[in-house]
Amino acid sequence: GAVVSQHPSWVICKSGTSVKIECRSLDFQATTMFWYRQFPKQSLMLMATSNEGSKATYEQGVEKDKFLINHASLTLSTLTVTSAHPEDSSFYICSARGTVKEKLFFGSGTQLSVL
Amino acid sequence: DAKTTQPNSMESNEEEPVHLPCNHSTISGTDYIHWYRQLPSQGPEYVIHGLTSNVNNRMASLAIAEDRKSSTLILHRATLRDAAVYYCILRPPMGGKLIFGQGTELSVKP
Repeated sequence: GAVVSQHPSWVICKSGTSVKIECRSLDFQATTMFWYRQFPKQSLMLMATSNEGSKATYEQGVEKDKFLINHASLTLSTLTVTSAHPEDSSFYICSARGTVKEKLFFGSGTQLSVL
Repeated sequence: DAKTTQPNSMESNEEEPVHLPCNHSTISGTDYIHWYRQLPSQGPEYVIHGLTSNVNNRMASLAIAEDRKSSTLILHRATLRDAAVYYCILRPPMGGKLIFGQGTELSVKP
């Protein structure tokens, strides 16, 4: 099956710093990628949809200036959490859709802890 | 987005079948029924999807009610590795974003 690689798997940072999370589709071209966040014992919440070569579409309530998404190629999307604060600590998960549009393939997630 | 309702949790014994229900009474005529599962500390993985007819694959079976207002994911022989949160999601044709509900946390006892 298709593989989505997400890096890093976990990161600890100081409050006020920025953190970049990468999401790569390893064996297929992903025209669309989705970013989710998940708090403990809760479901996944969709943050934004990114299409290659265009601006991301953010869900209501998600600050686009805080969560910068770049989808510069068909195999790479990045999420940058800018000026991170402890309340941004969460599990961030990316997913990608390729030519088989019925399925989404998910990365293994990134656990972000902001001190 | 049409809503799905699932039990918060279910228990199963190892090597026994498991039936995970999902209600989706407001499903539209073109919505597909998708199931994903999420193991602890991992991203979700695709399990199965269908439109009207029952579906089988190597992981599970999907039984869809004739009126499409409910469906059941069937794991034929649960293993300890099947312990996960199972999400039933409605998705319009041509793909698009997946909106996750609360899901059912399945625990499997040896």
